[in-house]
Amino acid sequence: AQTVTQSQPEMSVQEAETVTLSCTYDTSESDYYLFWYKQPPSRQMILVIRQEAYKQQNATENRFSVNFQKAAKSFSLKISDSQLGDAAMYFCAYRGNRDDKIIFGKGTRLHILP
Amino acid sequence: EPEVTQTPSHQVTQMGQEVILRCVPISNHLYFYWYRQILGQKVEFLVSFYNNEISEKSEIFDDQFSVERPDGSNFTLKIRSTKLEDSAMYFCASARDRGRVGYGYTFGSGTRLTVV
Repeated sequence: AQTVTQSQPEMSVQEAETVTLSCTYDTSESDYYLFWYKQPPSRQMILVIRQEAYKQQNATENRFSVNFQKAAKSFSLKISDSQLGDAAMYFCAYRGNRDDKIIFGKGTRLHILP
Repeated sequence: EPEVTQTPSHQVTQMGQEVILRCVPISNHLYFYWYRQILGQKVEFLVSFYNNEISEKSEIFDDQFSVERPDGSNFTLKIRSTKLEDSAMYFCASARDRGRVGYGYTFGSGTRLTVV
């Protein structure tokens, strides 16, 4: 069974600094997708960034980028120029190409210090 | 931007009562999902629904739960005889098609269910 592990329950970063959230996963599949979701205090789940496993190039979305290491099964999220609005719970997630369901990690709560 | 709408945002119910959580998926989406997040814990898959039938369900989704798309626009989750441990945030999600599986879903803003 696939699993997603986020080893950092909480992290803090100074406003305007860069922070990296860690995620590892376990799967026997070769074709899959990885996601980072943001859950602000409103509790809504917002897709931040996604990565196709068959792509070697790391995905980027404005200030958000990932470091995808397929052999190591690692998928970290880097947030550059952190802003107060980035404060939220961040979930790493996995979806197999043939699956309907998304498997989430336990989340990392990110605090932004002014 | 199209949204998935969930109502109510918060529902309180007595233990043993039945509740129906409602969702209006994005109009041209064909795949529908329910997830649950117990406070402070991770988001867990409950069920996926396509072509008017369940396509996959987790072990959490037992006989206490059922889903329905009664009128072509709403997608509901019914919980019969609620238990205290059913207290959680319930998220509805929808997706346009399986071919876009890599794009993930669009989630609603959730319904917080409190069983007392």
